[in-house]
Amino acid sequence: IQLTQSPATLSASVGDRVTITCRASQNITNWLAWYQQKPGKAPKLLIYKASNLESGVPSTFGGSGSGTEFTLTINSLQPDDFATYYCQYYNTYSAYSFGQGTTLEIK
Amino acid sequence: EVQLVESGGGVVQPGGSLRLSCEASGLTFDDYAMHWVRQAPGKGLEWVSLISWNGATTYYADSVKGRFTISRDNSKNSLHLQMNSLRPEDSALYYCAKDHHDDNGHFSGAFDCWGQGALVIVSS
Repeated sequence: IQLTQSPATLSASVGDRVTITCRASQNITNWLAWYQQKPGKAPKLLIYKASNLESGVPSTFGGSGSGTEFTLTINSLQPDDFATYYCQYYNTYSAYSFGQGTTLEIK
Repeated sequence: EVQLVESGGGVVQPGGSLRLSCEASGLTFDDYAMHWVRQAPGKGLEWVSLISWNGATTYYADSVKGRFTISRDNSKNSLHLQMNSLRPEDSALYYCAKDHHDDNGHFSGAFDCWGQGALVIVSS
């Protein structure tokens, strides 16, 4: 199963609402997570099971979707939100895969 | 607070071997499956391997199958990755990561705690 994120790069301003899309080549039901990674840092879990907000993550982050199309939405962008975002899936054969990443940069 | 600390990275020639370790603290280690995930410089994330909570089950990405071996020692809260027949394309920052369980204790398929990474460079 392949995960395709779009766009690869996204330019936005503080206060904007942005959406990142992750498309799976096959139905993965809701086994999808989203991560944020900043330069020189480990990834941070934001969303699990497609739409569940991880503890401690601001409510400005939201996830939706099921099957083959998923979205990560960030409402009211803050300076700290500019980073690279990855989607990741799991299947019942214990295979894991990541999308190629979306870099969110300041316009 | 959960902490994962990797060690054992370094520079190795193609065909060589290296053993990475990850020491865990702040959690009941044997409650969780553990993973290795790698990231080549300037590139995306690649899942490498998984080991079940008791070490009985292991899985590998096709890119490392037959060359890498994951293991754990629950008595020492430690995770290991033995890497043999290393190739230049194995050069990456290797993270250990913990399985995420939701508020009900159910597996979610995600990774919620990561170490800082161990850098492996395979070069002659």
